[in-house]
Amino acid sequence: GQNIDQPTEMTATEGAIVQINCTYQTSGFNGLFWYQQHAGEAPTFLSYNVLDGLEEKGRFSSFLSRSKGYSYLLLKELQMKDSASYLCAVMDSNYQLIWGAGTKLIIKP
Amino acid sequence: IAGITQAPTSQILAAGRRMTLRCTQDMRHNAMYWYRQDLGLGLRLIHYSNTAGTTGKGEVPDGYSVSRANTDDFPLTLASAVPSQTSVYFCASSEAATDTQYFGPGTRLTVL
Repeated sequence: GQNIDQPTEMTATEGAIVQINCTYQTSGFNGLFWYQQHAGEAPTFLSYNVLDGLEEKGRFSSFLSRSKGYSYLLLKELQMKDSASYLCAVMDSNYQLIWGAGTKLIIKP
Repeated sequence: IAGITQAPTSQILAAGRRMTLRCTQDMRHNAMYWYRQDLGLGLRLIHYSNTAGTTGKGEVPDGYSVSRANTDDFPLTLASAVPSQTSVYFCASSEAATDTQYFGPGTRLTVL
């Protein structure tokens, strides 16, 4: 079966750095996506990785290792507004997104 | 309109009733999707459409139907609602099936 694993919840301090991990087992791979979802709102796109390596976009970076079935989202200089759930999703061989359950990130002052 | 809109925002429905959730996008995206989101579970694909006039079944299609008569609209119908269909429903679209998906604001549905 297809599976996406990510931690259920993480806590970090304002101004710090946090890394949210995602491991996957899917039938085929056509890219990995990270989305941010604030409570009661829709998911919004953060990043896309299809090749191994690090993609940097401002305070957010995303890393992919296809051989290990592993990705992480790195958030720097954390702000209170970064409190949200972070969703990892893999596009499988049928070009359908398989979603993890999400990691709820709590930022403390 | 900018992006994707969904209606209604929320709805309480008696079991056995028929309900249509509406989704409209103004981005001229070819592909559209319906997901449900339940606590502790990832988003699950109900139905999708890669282009106007075509639809396909996702992971959890039972009890739901869709149509795609034109590019902009992708309604989701529950023919006879059951309590297990209580969920938050998100519509999404992408330029093509291989591209990034963008989400509507969601519909919170409660079936009693």
